[in-house]
Parts: sequence; C-alpha cells; structure tokens
Amino acid sequence: AQRVTQPEKLLSVFKGAPVELKCNYSYSGSPELFWYVQYSRQRLQLLLRHISRESIKGFTADLNKGETSFHLKKPFAQEEDSAMYYCALSGPFISGSRLTFGEGTQLTVNP
Amino acid sequence: DTGVSQNPRHKITKRGQNVTFRCDPISEHNRLYWYRQTLGQGPEFLTYFQNEAQLEKSRLLSDRFSAERPKGSFSTLEIQRTEQGDSAMYLCASSLFKGGPIMNTEAFFGQGTRLTVV
Repeated sequence: AQRVTQPEKLLSVFKGAPVELKCNYSYSGSPELFWYVQYSRQRLQLLLRHISRESIKGFTADLNKGETSFHLKKPFAQEEDSAMYYCALSGPFISGSRLTFGEGTQLTVNP
Repeated sequence: DTGVSQNPRHKITKRGQNVTFRCDPISEHNRLYWYRQTLGQGPEFLTYFQNEAQLEKSRLLSDRFSAERPKGSFSTLEIQRTEQGDSAMYLCASSLFKGGPIMNTEAFFGQGTRLTVV
C-alpha cells in the first residue's frame, strides 16, 4: 500500500526567506507525485506534478527515488504563499490513478 | 464557474437521518472521484467512477454509503443512518482519462460539502 508523510503540520517563515515543505512517500511501484495547495476559503488545486518538471509560482519539487522524497521548495517566500499544502501520490498501476494524500502542512509567511 | 460543482455546500443533519450530496464534474471529464477529509487530515479516497461504472470502493466506504453516476455525468453520494463519525468534508474531483504516456490529467476538485451530524 502507498503512503505519504508530511512531517511538519505547521511551518512559519518570514517573507523573502527560503522555504522547504517536506514530503516522503512509500510505494513499491513507479510513483507520480503531486503538490496540491489550498488557499483560504478556496478549493484544493494542483500546484505542480513531478512529470511536468515545471516551476509554478516560483515553487519547484524534485523527485528523489533514492530517498523517496518529493520536497517542495521556494527560494524567496511571499505572503501570498500562505496556504495549506498537500503532497499526494498516484501511479500508473494504481486503480483509477486515485490520489493518496499526506496530512498537509500549513505554511504561514510572515511580513 | 465551469469547474467541479458540489451541492449543498453545508449540511447539518441529525444522527440517524439520510443525506445525499451531488457532484457535477467538468463536462468532458470521464472520471469522477469522492474523497473524505476530516479535521487535520488530508483527503482520503472513497470511490471513483469511470463514466457510469463504479470501479473501486475504499474500505472506508461502509454499507451505509452508496454512490451513483447514472449517466456518466453528475454523481450522488448517499449516507444512510448517519453517525457522528460521518461528520467531515466530502470532496468530489474529476479528471480526464486519455490513456497514453500521461494516462490521467490532473484531478480538479470541487469546494466540498461539509457534513455535520448532531
């Protein structure tokens, strides 16, 4: 069975500081990893997926299969980055490509 | 708004009553998912449909839960004889399964239905 772990429930940084949200996973197959974000009073939305290799809103994430990690990073945090962030896993051999989510990390960027 | 739509947004019900939620996915999406989210947790998978066929149900989905997608468009999730433990946010998501190297497009989520059982 697959599992996603986000060790930090809360993370607080100052504006302009680097930020890293940690995500570790366990899955015996070839994973697809995602970061979803939920801003206050908004719906859950995709931030980025590892196969796209994109940088969205300055965020990047690299899949490290050796360490089974998919940490989310941004070099200079902005106040508008304050939100709940969920790491999620799927895969081509997971029925329906359904998502397994971590518990989430609440990021607060202070002025 | 052409995204995933869920109704109602909030539902308060007494223990033992039945409730039904509706999800309207993005029109061209053939996959529809239901997730449940409790406080402090990430969303947990309940079930999914491809077109009108329900292809998988989680062990979380007890016999009191039933979901349908009769014409492959909107879906309903019914909970019978609600219990206080059913209180949660129920999320619906949809995606387009195309096959090929990228088999599934991203899942788009609705705003959820918050159920409170008193």
